Amino acid sequence: QQQVRQSSQSLTVWEGETAILNCSYENSAFDYFPWYQQFPGEGPALLIAIRSVSDKKEDGRFTIFFNKREKNLSLHIKDSQPGDSATYFCAADYQGGRALIFGTGTTVSVSP
Amino acid sequence: EAAVTQSPRNKVTVTGGNVTLSCRQTNSHNYMYWYRQDTGHGLRLIHYSYGAGNLQIGDVPDGYKATRTTQEDFFLLLELASPSQTSLYFCASSDERGLEQYFGPGTRLTVL
Repeated sequence: QQQVRQSSQSLTVWEGETAILNCSYENSAFDYFPWYQQFPGEGPALLIAIRSVSDKKEDGRFTIFFNKREKNLSLHIKDSQPGDSATYFCAADYQGGRALIFGTGTTVSVSP
Repeated sequence: EAAVTQSPRNKVTVTGGNVTLSCRQTNSHNYMYWYRQDTGHGLRLIHYSYGAGNLQIGDVPDGYKATRTTQEDFFLLLELASPSQTSLYFCASSDERGLEQYFGPGTRLTVL
């Protein structure tokens, strides 16, 4: 049973476009949602995170939109660059939970 | 210099073999984690620890043992390796559970 779901395994966009990565979850107790970015041959690294008390978190070209009622969130990468080509993992956690639960990842390819 | 290191980076063993994967962190973090990454499954938690001598079971613990000997060192043991354990293994550390996790570069294990 996948508690955190990422609807697309892969996504291709042109340079300059906005990439939209979707994520949904099942457990209403989740209150912390980080996104991790992973380049080939490396470990994942925290990109941006949001808590459930907020509906939007922005950091440069990266924005998380969060919908608590629908139990979904999305990561928007504005003005995509070839250097953004990577795998992006949505994750979730809650106070009292065991540890972060990761989605299956979305691999983004940005074509110049 | 890298704060989470893993060794070896690559390992090939045979079915029934004995394998130890090592992880060291210099972040002075209390929490350490072992994950496996497989296509279509994302990152799955094997074991984690919140201090020397402590061990917590993750989501996919079968066939794996772990030991946290010091705050810095966390080991993953496969005592009777099977082909199903062929995977990319990541170690991570965090100061507080669930908040920013710092990942190592990974160990690619092949069980023939």
